[in-house]
Amino acid sequence: AQSVAQPEDQVNVAEGNPLTVKCTYSVSGNPYLFWYVQYPNRGLQFLLKYITGDNLVKGSYGFEAEFNKSQTSFHLKKPSALVSDSALYFCAVREDGANNLFFGTGTRLTVIP
Amino acid sequence: GAVVSQHPSWVICKSGTSVKIECRSLDFQATTMFWYRQFPKQSLMLMATSNEGSKATYEQGVEKDKFLINHASLTLSTLTVTSAHPEDSSFYICSAVNSGANVLTFGAGSRLTVL
Repeated sequence: AQSVAQPEDQVNVAEGNPLTVKCTYSVSGNPYLFWYVQYPNRGLQFLLKYITGDNLVKGSYGFEAEFNKSQTSFHLKKPSALVSDSALYFCAVREDGANNLFFGTGTRLTVIP
Repeated sequence: GAVVSQHPSWVICKSGTSVKIECRSLDFQATTMFWYRQFPKQSLMLMATSNEGSKATYEQGVEKDKFLINHASLTLSTLTVTSAHPEDSSFYICSAVNSGANVLTFGAGSRLTVL
């Protein structure tokens, strides 16, 4: 069975500081990992994905994530946070051969001016 | 890039009426679409998998007679909430598999309020 854990419901960070949103996963076989962002009353927007290859994945809006197989983690990072980054972030995993994503519970990021 | 259009974005209806939500893939064909429901401050809950030309596959606990799904073409899936009640009020989000990009593309969501 697959699962995704986002241990922090809320992350606060000052503007200009680096941010990290944590995600760990459990899946049979090779993981396909994704980060999505959701703004109020909007659908999800794709940020980045890890399928294979380099462990450090770069995505939209300056975000990146590092796949760590030994720690089964896929933390989302950004070197310098912007107020406009404030949103709800979802980590998701997909099993090899499946189409559907299994989502974490989400982490609300607030960037303080 | 791939775009999924969802309509309407907001809908208010009276209890007992039915509401149809459309999900369209605008620039790609989607043999598979997914319907999610999101409660306030919670994650997305998969309701059903919509397969073009065949019956939808519903997740456990989701009433198929309550939430009718039709996927009649490669670019359109519809979710009809039948005999809606206030407890059906929620944010409904669809997504489509863009197999070329190996990514799920999401619609902007539809907020249903049942009075």
